[in-house]
Amino acid sequence: EVGLVESGGGLVEPGGSLRLSCTASGAPMRNYAMNWVRQTPGKGLEWISYINNSGKGTYYADSVKGRFTISRDNARNSLYLQMNSLRAEDTAMYYCVSSALAMVPKFDSWGQGTLVTVSS
Amino acid sequence: DIQLTQAPSSLSASVGDRVTITCRASQNINKYLNWYQQKPGKAPKLLIHSASNLQTGVPSRFSGSGSGTDFTLTLSGVQPEDFASYYCQQSLSFPRTFGQGTKLEIK
Repeated sequence: EVGLVESGGGLVEPGGSLRLSCTASGAPMRNYAMNWVRQTPGKGLEWISYINNSGKGTYYADSVKGRFTISRDNARNSLYLQMNSLRAEDTAMYYCVSSALAMVPKFDSWGQGTLVTVSS
Repeated sequence: DIQLTQAPSSLSASVGDRVTITCRASQNINKYLNWYQQKPGKAPKLLIHSASNLQTGVPSRFSGSGSGTDFTLTLSGVQPEDFASYYCQQSLSFPRTFGQGTKLEIK
């Protein structure tokens, strides 16, 4: 099972940008598809982005499409989320989540999360 | 998008009780359904994948069933450490979606 640690969260003004990072340990990140999942305070879970093992395939939730970009560097065992044009409703805990190759994709391992607050 | 509706949104139980949480999908998702547990201040943890397969290390008092549109998570003999929130999630298609969650509280 891969260990995941997120970083890069913080306070940003509306319209601003932030870049989240996630570092994997214990197993090569190239073995996993990766996702970002967020959770607003006191609310439920929202999947926001996916990237396949090679980095050539990505998907986004409509709520972030065109504003967020997922990327990865397998040589550095790292995953990224570039967040632009941030809005108050993007305030959430952001989790880096792995998905091992499987017939039914699942969110196997989760990082501890990094908190993003969008406020003036 | 595939909508997942969980019921109930919250429930109270005593240690040793059997509890059942349901998850209904807005369309047929076969067995592309996973369950997660989340404790306060912690990241979610995978409990069950492919509707009925227990993730390694998860106690056998947890079980899952169902296929198509109707799914169930059952806890047989609730333990103090099981009081948490539970979420279902579909992996048939993008966007991946979650149920709204069920909070299991101590009676």
